[in-house]
Amino acid sequence: DAMVIQNPRYQVTQFGKPVTLSCSQTLNHNVMYWYQQKSSQAPKLLFHYYDKDFNNEADTPDNFQSRRPNTSFCFLDIRSPGLGDAAMYLCATSIYGGVTDTQYFGPGTRLTVL
Amino acid sequence: GIQVEQSPPDLILQEGANSTLRCNFSDSVNNLQWFHQNPWGQLINLFYIPSGTKQNGRLSATTVATERYSLLYISSSQTTDSGVYFCAVGQTGANNLFFGTGTRLTVIP
Repeated sequence: DAMVIQNPRYQVTQFGKPVTLSCSQTLNHNVMYWYQQKSSQAPKLLFHYYDKDFNNEADTPDNFQSRRPNTSFCFLDIRSPGLGDAAMYLCATSIYGGVTDTQYFGPGTRLTVL
Repeated sequence: GIQVEQSPPDLILQEGANSTLRCNFSDSVNNLQWFHQNPWGQLINLFYIPSGTKQNGRLSATTVATERYSLLYISSSQTTDSGVYFCAVGQTGANNLFFGTGTRLTVIP
């Protein structure tokens, strides 16, 4: 089945230690998104790629970076995680990124910062 | 930016009961999706419904775009329906979805 896959499902890191989260998709969609969801809150968009074009949300901290080496994979890098970065990180895809597109979400990676 | 509010924030149901969840939004939208987030965090698409009515099994949804609200109906609820229900909207000129505040549903046997 075509799907959005995130690895790992659970990640524990230490304060200040860089961490990378992975997302892959078999849907062959053009657009990939990263959302951050803190406890009891709604998901919040960090950035997205339309093909290779990177689009950062204005309020996304510089601590968060992303890479998309090919259509299938997208990575979220947190350069120096703080305690406030503990959250669920959700990857999503859509076919064209248009406003009327449906977004499909992966299972998420739950990040704990010690 | 657009405001998306959902009600009620929390809902507890006996198994077999029906419920209606509401999503109000503050501006015109071109995209509206309902999601179910299960206890493990997975967001599952329920409906893409910027306008009109759709049904899928025990679930149905109606969006009245001119009045800026959407309703999600759950009939004959089951314990597996538990989780958080989000509506999310999209507008022309913005590529992302704006998520509502969510409704946490607990179905008890």
